[in-house]
Amino acid sequence: AQSVSQHNHHVILSEAASLELGCNYSYGGTVNLFWYVQYPGQHLQLLLKYFSGDPLVKGIKGFEAEFIKSKFSFNLRKPSVQWSDTAEYFCAGHFGNEKLTFGTGTRLTIIP
Amino acid sequence: DTGVSQDPRHKITKRGQNVTFRCDPISEHNRLYWYRQTLGQGPEFLTYFQNEAQLEKSRLLSDRFSAERPKGSFSTLEIQRTEQGDSAMYLCASSPPSTGFYGYTFGSGTRLTVV
Repeated sequence: AQSVSQHNHHVILSEAASLELGCNYSYGGTVNLFWYVQYPGQHLQLLLKYFSGDPLVKGIKGFEAEFIKSKFSFNLRKPSVQWSDTAEYFCAGHFGNEKLTFGTGTRLTIIP
Repeated sequence: DTGVSQDPRHKITKRGQNVTFRCDPISEHNRLYWYRQTLGQGPEFLTYFQNEAQLEKSRLLSDRFSAERPKGSFSTLEIQRTEQGDSAMYLCASSPPSTGFYGYTFGSGTRLTVV
């Protein structure tokens, strides 16, 4: 069965630190991959998405993610985090049907 | 506001009562989705409509759950005889007509608490 795994449940960083959140998927076919962010009290917002082409995808707010097919991974990165990046981050995959399969999320806390 | 609207934002109900939630998608979007999110988990797919047709239902959607989209515009999700395990955030999302899948826009959700 298709699945998405996020192994970092809670990450705590200081401002200006670099960020990398892990995301792995399980599926043998063509995938579309997404990162969503949920700020406290707000709805899910799309950060970035990968469909095809350049495996390095740039999104909003300075985030980027790299699709590595051989590792079934789509890790999210940001070179220098800000306090306002405190949120929950969800990786999601589209595996050929109409629905998205989400990971369990990573809570990111940035310490000023 | 031209986003996906959900009503109510919060609902507290007693166990055994019926509840109904409403979702208004972005007006030109013909696809509508319901998801459920419990604490510490990512959203889980419940059901999907294309126009007024309900095309897919998750096994999570027990007999107590029913969703409709009568005119292909807004949708309702009803839970009958609520149980404490139904407490969750219920999310609606929509996407435009397309021959492919390009992701969708989520609403703010309805938080259900069953006491």
